[in-house]
Amino acid sequence: QAVVTQESSFSVSPGGTVTLTCGLSSGSVSTSYYPSWYQQIPGQTPRTLIYSTNTRSSGVPDRFSGSILGNKAALTITGAQADDESDYYCALYMGSGISVFGGGTKLTVL
Amino acid sequence: EVQLLESGGGLVQPGGSLRLSCAASGFTFSSYAMSWVRQTPGRGLEWVSSIGTGGTPHSADSVKGRFTISRDNSKDTLYLQMNSLRADDTAVYSCATRGGSKYFDSWGQGTLVTVSS
Repeated sequence: QAVVTQESSFSVSPGGTVTLTCGLSSGSVSTSYYPSWYQQIPGQTPRTLIYSTNTRSSGVPDRFSGSILGNKAALTITGAQADDESDYYCALYMGSGISVFGGGTKLTVL
Repeated sequence: EVQLLESGGGLVQPGGSLRLSCAASGFTFSSYAMSWVRQTPGRGLEWVSSIGTGGTPHSADSVKGRFTISRDNSKDTLYLQMNSLRADDTAVYSCATRGGSKYFDSWGQGTLVTVSS
């Protein structure tokens, strides 16, 4: 199955903007992959942030946004807050009920 | 409120079997595709299996032929039968609803499966 790539780690200053990306080891990510994004604080259940590229899940603040940038899906956090420090995972839908997660990005806010 | 409660995890020897259950409430279970996702500290999140509303199953290559997903709509329960377990199957297994069948919407807390002799 396909390999989904993410940055292993990223840091952002409080109040800053950060863009995390989600790519494919071979090929480009498009809306046809229905990219989705999940936030997970270690020890807690994942929280769905974004689905179908850019639709925010219920209750997710609008400082989280999703898009396609070039050949990758992207999650942008605008005005980062301390409690945004977390692991972020993307997932791509490959069709036929199959999904693949990326390896996750550890975001540090400092 | 959507609630998903997994059970059935535990310690099992390599080559052994376990059956996980996920009891659903707070939504019309039969109307939702469902999935199992596992997580290990070293490998992050990994999609394991999904099952559609009509019962069509799909599984990751890593578990194909060993794991079987099923559902009982009369009991609002999702299952994962795991056979021929290996050490690298050790993980927290969570069930999740599938939104539009293409993303993971609501998540359970998970149940820990440890494969070790």
